Amino acid sequence: GQNIDQPTEMTATEGAIVQINCTYQTSGFNGLFWYQQHAGEAPTFLSYNVLDGLEEKGRFSSFLSRSKGYSYLLLKELQMKDSASYLCAATDSNYQLIWGAGTKLIIKP
Amino acid sequence: GAGVSQSPRYKVAKRGQDVALRCDPISGHVSLFWYQQALGQGPEFLTYFQNEAQLDKSGLPSDRFFAERPEGSVSTLKIQRTQQEDSAVYLCASSFGGNTEAFFGQGTRLTVV
Repeated sequence: GQNIDQPTEMTATEGAIVQINCTYQTSGFNGLFWYQQHAGEAPTFLSYNVLDGLEEKGRFSSFLSRSKGYSYLLLKELQMKDSASYLCAATDSNYQLIWGAGTKLIIKP
Repeated sequence: GAGVSQSPRYKVAKRGQDVALRCDPISGHVSLFWYQQALGQGPEFLTYFQNEAQLDKSGLPSDRFFAERPEGSVSTLKIQRTQQEDSAVYLCASSFGGNTEAFFGQGTRLTVV
């Protein structure tokens, strides 16, 4: 079956760095998305990886290893506003998005 | 419009009542998705349209759920004879298709009492 695994919750300190891991198993693979979702709001796009390696975008970076079925989202210089859920979603051979349950990130001062 | 618009934002329905949820996607977006999101969970796929064609409805939980997009733009998700387990946030997303990013609406929070 198709499956996305990511930690349920993580806690980090303001100004620090945090890495949120995601492993996936899909029927075919056409890329991996990371979305941010604040409580009560819609998910918003953060990043997309289809090739192996690291994509950097400001304070956020995303990494993909296709051979390992693994991705991570790296957040640097954490700010209180980064407290949110981070959703990992893999695209299967039909370009269907398979979603993880999300990782709730709590930032402490 | 500038983004994906969903209405109503909140809906309280009595058990057994029919409801209709509306999604207005971004103009020009070919693909439209409906998701159901329970509290503390990621979005669960319900159905997918490419223009007016419903290409995948495998995620609809029962035959009480029906979705349409007759002119390839606005879509409606209808739930008949609502049950308490239908209580969730229903998200709509649209994209240009393929592997382009999906833009989400604010969702409709449905509470069945």
